[in-house]
Amino acid sequence: RKEVEQDPGPFNVPEGATVAFNCTYSNSASQSFFWYRQDCRKEPKLLMSVYSSGNEDGRFTAQLNRASQYISLLIRDSKLSDSATYLCVVNIAGGGADGLTFGKGTHLIIQP
Amino acid sequence: EPEVTQTPSHQVTQMGQEVILRCVPISNHLYFYWYRQILGQKVEFLVSFYNNEISEKSEIFDDQFSVERPDGSNFTLKIRSTKLEDSAMYFCASSGTGGSNQPQHFGDGTRLSIL
Repeated sequence: RKEVEQDPGPFNVPEGATVAFNCTYSNSASQSFFWYRQDCRKEPKLLMSVYSSGNEDGRFTAQLNRASQYISLLIRDSKLSDSATYLCVVNIAGGGADGLTFGKGTHLIIQP
Repeated sequence: EPEVTQTPSHQVTQMGQEVILRCVPISNHLYFYWYRQILGQKVEFLVSFYNNEISEKSEIFDDQFSVERPDGSNFTLKIRSTKLEDSAMYFCASSGTGGSNQPQHFGDGTRLSIL
């Protein structure tokens, strides 16, 4: 049973376009949600936390729908440097001592 | 910006040998973690550590694995008798107060290759 599911892509998107990724999680008791990005053979880097009311950080907007167990990430005005794998990440129990559950990631390629 | 540091960046070891992977978490963080990522697969949680003891571990973290905080700065992962399937990228992470929604910050990893 997959706990965090993402469309693996790749998404090939022209520079300047808007792109959206979705993610679903299976455990309805999940507490905390994040988007990380991972460049090839590098560490996951926090992109943004996802709050219940939705949140925005510059060109990035994250939404959470607890009823549908669904998280989304929207990237506006995409840049070449946005090319990476985007990881949907859930902290099921929500505590500091709890491990994160990662999706396999969605691969994004921004084309000039 | 403070960061998590890991050494070595690449470790090559013969099957059956012991390896120790080292991490220096962000200095004021209280929670420490190890994850692994087999090539082409997702990042998987191994273990979390708080107040000098293991808080949570996954089914991957069996008796061949152990963690230790030998001093005030280092956090280590030991694999006692390595297997071929232990070949992976190992990431250390740390987080601050441990309150809800606290993100974990990752080091740049140690690539472990078992021959």
